[in-house]
Amino acid sequence: EIVMTQSPATLSVSPGERATLSCRASQSVSSNLAWYQQKPGQAPRLLIYGASTRATGIPARFSGSGSGTEFTLTISSLQSEDFAVYYCQQYINWPWTFGQGTKVEIK
Amino acid sequence: EVQLVQSGAEVKKPGESLKISCKASGYNFISYWIGWVRQMPGRGLEWMGIIYPGDSNTKYSPSFQGQVTISADKSISTAYLQWSSLKASDTAMYYCARHGGGLSWGQGTLVTVSS
Repeated sequence: EIVMTQSPATLSVSPGERATLSCRASQSVSSNLAWYQQKPGQAPRLLIYGASTRATGIPARFSGSGSGTEFTLTISSLQSEDFAVYYCQQYINWPWTFGQGTKVEIK
Repeated sequence: EVQLVQSGAEVKKPGESLKISCKASGYNFISYWIGWVRQMPGRGLEWMGIIYPGDSNTKYSPSFQGQVTISADKSISTAYLQWSSLKASDTAMYYCARHGGGLSWGQGTLVTVSS
């Protein structure tokens, strides 16, 4: 099973600042990596798939990069609605696996 | 537009059986993997299993193999997750999710198991 490790566990950021979230895979997943945002009481929402392709309707301030084992989600200028938990997920091998999440909180 | 509509919240007692559903629309149901994700209270996301409705090929995560059954009915574009004997530790939110360029998600079904 591929283990996905996200860092940091919690990221404190001021509105308008840049946020950088990391995700590492225990073995190569090529570009088979997605990012999701989850707010309290809501289902997760797809942000990025294929490591760097924004899903439909996702603002340009969200960007994904990386391949192989190292990936990054960048939020260029945090808005109030971006404070949430973010998960990465690999889908190259079954079982597909999620990272444990990074909580982005208001500083 | 892909839509996944899940059945409503359930409250059950330990030992009871349960089957929850996920009705899909807006795409060709038989052509995409669809599966179930568990989220226990205050915790992260865990894949339970997936099914390819076109040929009913089903895969389970090791932690859930033998604990649940995933099925699909092509005629009504609906996927199911069932338990034969619930435990208190099954209390969680369960999401169905379709795989295709990332996941499209249902709204979740809260299952509470309590005596």
